[in-house]
Amino acid sequence: QKEVEQDPGPLSVPEGAIVSLNCTYSNSAFQYFMWYRQYSRKGPELLMYTYSSGNKEDGRFTAQVDKSSKYISLFIRDSQPSDSATYLCAMSGGWSTLGRLYFGRGTQLTVWP
Amino acid sequence: DAMVIQNPRYQVTQFGKPVTLSCSQTLNHNVMYWYQQKSSQAPKLLFHYYDKDFNNEADTPDNFQSRRPNTSFCFLDIRSPGLGDAAMYLCATSRERPGEKVQPQHFGDGTRLSIL
Repeated sequence: QKEVEQDPGPLSVPEGAIVSLNCTYSNSAFQYFMWYRQYSRKGPELLMYTYSSGNKEDGRFTAQVDKSSKYISLFIRDSQPSDSATYLCAMSGGWSTLGRLYFGRGTQLTVWP
Repeated sequence: DAMVIQNPRYQVTQFGKPVTLSCSQTLNHNVMYWYQQKSSQAPKLLFHYYDKDFNNEADTPDNFQSRRPNTSFCFLDIRSPGLGDAAMYLCATSRERPGEKVQPQHFGDGTRLSIL
């Protein structure tokens, strides 16, 4: 079993839709959670960074962490064609995992006009 | 803007011919990472430098080496590239201090390596 599981999609939605992206994990030591957006032929760009359980909102993006279920989500409201990209979840246990990031394989999202 | 810069963006080399990829950063971060990312896969950590200390992943082939001559620069050397080494190579940085929260990593745009 991989440490981080993420449905690769592809996911295709119309402009304006609410998008839900999810990851599950198995290591209870994880306590730092990140979402990265990666456009084609570019490096991952940090979108959201959360520590421990709860919600964090930034504009149209909301990151949600449920440590009891080992489940994290990223919600995108009012999705735009410019949101079309691959979304990678990543997590770390901090010093217990030497600060190393564990990535999901990414979900490919297309938002069509 | 502070950033992570990778050169070249695209590199073509011949099978078995050594190649060096470079990464520089203006973030003054003390940790630098090299990842390999193949199509539709998660980035795979090859190694990282914590300050001057080199940390190799157990499954990184000996064919891959790295150098960090100073805080700002880091190089990835592939001594004898094989066809399976064709991939995107990503450099990332972070600022880490003992006892502090883990900080997110900041990535460059990568070097796409092709092997002929």
